Amino acid sequence: KNEVEQSPQNLTAQEGEFITINCSYSVGISALHWLQQHPGGGIVSLFMLSSGKKKHGRLIATINIQEKHSSLHITASHPRDSAVYICAVKFNTDKLIFGTGTRLQVFP
Amino acid sequence: KAGVTQTPRYLIKTRGQQVTLSCSPISGHRSVSWYQQTPGQGLQFLFEYFSETQRNKGNFPGRFSGRQFSNSRSEMNVSTLELGDSALYLCASSWTTTSGGYYNEQFFGPGTRLTVL
Repeated sequence: KNEVEQSPQNLTAQEGEFITINCSYSVGISALHWLQQHPGGGIVSLFMLSSGKKKHGRLIATINIQEKHSSLHITASHPRDSAVYICAVKFNTDKLIFGTGTRLQVFP
Repeated sequence: KAGVTQTPRYLIKTRGQQVTLSCSPISGHRSVSWYQQTPGQGLQFLFEYFSETQRNKGNFPGRFSGRQFSNSRSEMNVSTLELGDSALYLCASSWTTTSGGYYNEQFFGPGTRLTVL
């Protein structure tokens, strides 16, 4: 069965805090995609991972294939990081399943 | 390079009607995927088209259909609309197929918000 679990569902932080969002999945995958969705609906691609770690500015994404787990980290969070973060998992069965999303609010 | 565009951005229909949504991918991208997003079910995959052929399909009824043209533009059609079809419909493009064991970074359009009354 293809399953994706994302946590936490909601996250509130003060500006400058380190943020971690988690995504766990049940069986083998070919890739995992982190997405950011702002109010109004627009979705932005952040990272696509199949192994290891990627970094872009203050964002870092890691994936542990053995543990079937990925994390998205935001260092020195800022109010403009407030958005919904979604992981999308492409399973080896060719199914693409989305996590339920993490709503992040960063206050100044 | 222009991004993915979707038209219309907002649409209001009544039950039983049908609707057609349009998606123009990023220039050079040949894959277009469609997604439905609702508060209850989140984001769900509808189907993917690559080189005018449907390559993958999600678990949606036959009322949901699509097609892709030779210029890679895609349309999605929903017939006999139901209240539960109210959702944000997103399309995403990729330079090659995201099916058959492949997955490539997708770039999303702004979405079409459909309201069914």
